[in-house]
Amino acid sequence: NAGVTQTPKFRILKIGQSMTLQCTQDMNHNYMYWYRQDPGMGLKLIYYSVGAGITDKGEVPNGYNVSRSTTEDFPLRLELAAPSQTSVYFCASSYSSSGGSYEQYFGPGTRLTVT
Amino acid sequence: AQSVTQPDIHITVSEGASLELRCNYSYGATPYLFWYVQSPGQGLQLLLKYFSGDTLVQGIKGFEAEFKRSQSSFNLRKPSVHWSDAAEYFCAVGAGNTGGFKTIFGAGTRLFVKA
Repeated sequence: NAGVTQTPKFRILKIGQSMTLQCTQDMNHNYMYWYRQDPGMGLKLIYYSVGAGITDKGEVPNGYNVSRSTTEDFPLRLELAAPSQTSVYFCASSYSSSGGSYEQYFGPGTRLTVT
Repeated sequence: AQSVTQPDIHITVSEGASLELRCNYSYGATPYLFWYVQSPGQGLQLLLKYFSGDTLVQGIKGFEAEFKRSQSSFNLRKPSVHWSDAAEYFCAVGAGNTGGFKTIFGAGTRLFVKA
């Protein structure tokens, strides 16, 4: 299993540009998440999904959009990039059920700079 | 509301010395508790978790953590630190019956190991 994969690893955007961060998991997990991590800070939840076709906002959703058309994929869309979106973005997945273990599996991250 | 506090931003220990990283949480019910480790340039990896049962839990890489309800704490320990343990450590708390999402992460503690 590859686990959780993210592309690209690095990206530089100009202010106002748009891009999509890709995330794929091959563990058949029903839950998927997007976090951002700013220097010296913990993780902030942007969006999450509890299954294909279902998404919900996290703590810091403004400026982002997501979709979940399949169990495996959970892309994050940045529209009109701003310097405040400079961060490291992590995708994660987990399996949740009545007997589920709830730990999250993380991808390696995407380092995004907006200038 | 759930919250997680890691009081120490960074800690330095000598190789071979013991380690304790502090974590305090705020949550009304029995929490789902996690410790993750993040090596430089990597995503987060689960060290250990507590859902119920024995309050002393063992994890990977020789780590353990103890859940103390009376102190709302879940401190991480290791009896003898290795240079490879230098990393950032995150404590996290999940909601009681939906621990797979809206997990709240602490700000992290960076561990430095000196020879």
